[in-house]
Amino acid sequence: EPEVTQTPSHQVTQMGQEVILRCVPISNHLYFYWYRQILGQKVEFLVSFYNNEISEKSEIFDDQFSVERPDGSNFTLKIRSTKLEDSAMYFCASSTTGISVGGYTFGSGTRLTVV
Amino acid sequence: RKEVEQDPGPFNVPEGATVAFNCTYSNSASQSFFWYRQDCRKEPKLLMSVYSSGNEDGRFTAQLNRASQYISLLIRDSKLSDSATYLCVVNSGYSTLTFGKGTMLLVSP
Repeated sequence: EPEVTQTPSHQVTQMGQEVILRCVPISNHLYFYWYRQILGQKVEFLVSFYNNEISEKSEIFDDQFSVERPDGSNFTLKIRSTKLEDSAMYFCASSTTGISVGGYTFGSGTRLTVV
Repeated sequence: RKEVEQDPGPFNVPEGATVAFNCTYSNSASQSFFWYRQDCRKEPKLLMSVYSSGNEDGRFTAQLNRASQYISLLIRDSKLSDSATYLCVVNSGYSTLTFGKGTMLLVSP
C-alpha cells in the first residue's frame, strides 16, 4: 500500500535554531498538507499546498513557517527560529483531490522537541 | 470558530461489547465527515468516511445528522485491537480538516 514517508522520525533542536522537516508524499497525489499535534492536544491544520503554491493556511502558520516542494518528490516544512511551543508531532499528508472526499493519507510523523 | 466536540472518555468496555461515540460540529457548511483512528503516538488513520444515509463497514457503523450537526460511530463486538483514540473529523475549508480531540476506547479481556 502506498505511504507517505517522513524524516526524521524524531528531531531535537535548540530554541532559535532552524529545522526542516521532510516528507515524500504518495507519488500520484497532487495535494499536500502539514498538520501538527501538541502532546495531549488535537491535530491542527497548518498549511495545504497545490500546484506549487500554498492554497490555505491557518493562523498557526505565521512568518516563522514556510513550505517548499524543491523537487518532484519532496515536500518540506521549515521553521526558521524554533520556539519551545513548537514542540509537537508534525504530520505530513497527501491526497489525490483537494476536496477531501476520501480523507488523507498521513505520514508517521516527525516528533520535534525544542529545548 | 469551527469546532468539533467529542467526549474524551476513556470508554472502558469488555471484549464483545458494543460501544458508541458521538461528535458535534459547529460549521454548518461542512460537506465531508470522517472517523479516524489514532494509536498512541502514531499518525491518524482513516477508519471510514461518513455519509448522510449512514454507512457500515464490517463491525463499524457511522451515522450523520446534518440538521443536528451530529456524527456517531458504533462499534459492535469490540476487539482488544480496537483500543485506540477515535477522532471525529470534518472538512473546514476547501481541502482542510478540523479534528476533534478524540475519544479514547479501552477494550479489556
